[in-house]
Formats: sequence, C-alpha cells, structure tokens
Amino acid sequence: AQSVTQPDIHITVSEGASLELRCNYSYGATPYLFWYVQSPGQGLQLLLKYFSGDTLVQGIKGFEAEFKRSQSSFNLRKPSVHWSDAAEYFCAVWYNQGGKLIFGQGTELSVKP
Amino acid sequence: DSGVTQTPKHLITATGQRVTLRCSPRSGDLSVYWYQQSLDQGLQFLIQYYNGEERAKGNILERFSAQQFPDLHSELNLSSLELGDSALYFCASSVETGWSDTQYFGPGTRLTVL
Repeated sequence: AQSVTQPDIHITVSEGASLELRCNYSYGATPYLFWYVQSPGQGLQLLLKYFSGDTLVQGIKGFEAEFKRSQSSFNLRKPSVHWSDAAEYFCAVWYNQGGKLIFGQGTELSVKP
Repeated sequence: DSGVTQTPKHLITATGQRVTLRCSPRSGDLSVYWYQQSLDQGLQFLIQYYNGEERAKGNILERFSAQQFPDLHSELNLSSLELGDSALYFCASSVETGWSDTQYFGPGTRLTVL
C-alpha cells in the first residue's frame, strides 16, 4: 500500500542549530514529493517540491530537501533554525498510479532559545 | 495571506445534520482542492476540481460531495454528519490542474459535530 512515514512526531532543537526532518515513502514510480509547513491556526504553506532533475531542492525560508531514490526518502534540512520555524511540518507524496496525494503524520518542531 | 478565502471560519452543528463549506480560490486559479485534517486521520486529500469538473478523488466519503461553480468558487457539502467528521477542512487553489503546480491554502473551516 502507498504510504508516507515521518518517523519523528516531535523534535526540539536549539535556535541556531541545524535541522533534519525525515520522510520515507513506499515504493512506486518516481512520485511528486512535497514539504509543507503549518503554523498554529494557519493553513499549509508549500516549502518546496520535487518532480525530477537535481535531487537537491531548494525551497523558501532557507529550507532544502534531498530526494534519495535508493532510500525512498525525501528529508528536509535547514542549516540554522530560527525561533519562527517552530511549526508542524508535513511531507506529502503524489503517486501517479491511482492519482493519490498522501500525507505523512507530521512532525512538530519546537525551537528552544 | 494566500488569497484563498474560506467561509465560515467555524461551524458547530449536530449529528445527522448537513453543512456547506465555501471556498473562493485566488484570482486566476482554475483548480480547487479540498482537504480534511483531523486528529484521528491526519491530513487527507478529499477531492480536486478544475474549471468546474472533477479531476481527482481522494478519501472522500460518499456522504460528502463537492462542486465548482462557473465563477470558480467551490462548495463542499457534508451530510448525515457524524462525530468523527469534526475536523479542519482546508481548501487550496492552483493555476492549473497538474499536481506540479503550487497550491495555495486557505485558513480552513473548523467543523465541530456535537
């Protein structure tokens, strides 16, 4: 079955530290991959997306993600976290087969001073 | 502000009732998407419309239906409501129909079923 897994439900990092949020998806033809951020009480905002080409994708707010086909992963990274990055982060995968968009369970990021 | 508007912001109703959620896409966007976010199910894609026609269907229940009108606004109708339908319902819009297109999300409608 098609699925998306974000193994970390909650992560706390110190301001200025680096961040990596993990996302793994079940096997399929190269899907479309997305990372979204949801601030408290807000809708989702697209951080970045991958469809093809360079496997390292740059997004907004200083985020980047790397697609690794061999590991079926699309991890989100940021070199230096700011307090305003505290939010919930969702990985999503669009599978062409069946035309389904599937979200991970989300990772809540807390930033400590 | 994404430019996508949703009304109402909050809705409280009883089991068995029917409600309609409304979404106005960004100016110029032809696609509208509906999502449900609940504690039990997480984030789920429900349905997509493009220029008035249904384009993709996700985990939308048979009790739910949607449509997109000629002015491109969309409505999500939820009927025979159950407690488990309590959730945040998001609408998003994009210019075209492809999933490679960036979607812009509205602030959501919070539905509480008592």
